[in-house]
Amino acid sequence: AQSVTQLDSQVPVFEEAPVELRCNYSSSVSVYLFWYVQYPNQGLQLLLKYLSGSTLVESINGFEAEFNKSQTSFHLRKPSVHISDTAEYFCAVSERGYSTLTFGKGTMLLVSP
Amino acid sequence: DAGITQSPRHKVTETGTPVTLRCHQTENHRYMYWYRQDPGHGLRLIHYSYGVKDTDKGEVSDGYSVSRSKTEDFLLTLESATSSQTSVYFCATSANRSYEQYFGPGTRLTVT
Repeated sequence: AQSVTQLDSQVPVFEEAPVELRCNYSSSVSVYLFWYVQYPNQGLQLLLKYLSGSTLVESINGFEAEFNKSQTSFHLRKPSVHISDTAEYFCAVSERGYSTLTFGKGTMLLVSP
Repeated sequence: DAGITQSPRHKVTETGTPVTLRCHQTENHRYMYWYRQDPGHGLRLIHYSYGVKDTDKGEVSDGYSVSRSKTEDFLLTLESATSSQTSVYFCATSANRSYEQYFGPGTRLTVT
C-alpha cells in the first residue's frame, strides 16, 4: 500500500526567501504525484502534477517540484516566496491503475515580512 | 476547475441524528470522492464512486454510507451522528482513474 510522508508540519520563512517543502512516498508500483494548496477556509486547489515525461514540473505561480524515483521524493520548491503563499500544502500520490489518492498530513507554510 | 458545489456549507447537529451531505458536479466526471479533514490527519478517504450506483469504501468508512443515483450527485450520509464525526468534509471529482482530483469548498459539520 502506498503512503506519503511530509516531514515538516510547519515551515516558517521570511518573505523573498527560498523554501522547500519535502515529500516522500512509498509505493511498489508506478505512481502519479501531486501537490495541492489550501488557503484558509477553502478547498484544496491543484498546484502541480507529475504524470509522466519531464521529472521537473512547474506551476503558474513560481513553484516547482522534481520527481526523484530513486529517492521516492517529490519536493516542492520556490526560489522567492510572497506573503500570499501562506497556506497549507499537501502532497498526494496515486498508483497507476487505481482510483484513489493518498495524501500526506500537510505542511503549513508561514511567510512573514 | 470542475464546478463542484457542496451543501450545506455549515451544519450543527445533535448526537444520534441522521445527516446527509450533498455534492453536486457539473463536469460529468466519472469518479467522485468524500474525504474528511481533521487537524494532524490531513485528508482521509471515506467512500468513493466509480460510476452511477458503483461505490467502494475508503480508509475511514465506518459510520458512513453513500449513494450515487446520478452522475452529478454524490450523497454522504451519517446514519447516527457522533461527536467523533465533527469534521470538515470535502467532496472531490476526477475524470480519469489515478489522475488529479478537483475539490469542492467543503462542509463544516459539528456534532454536539
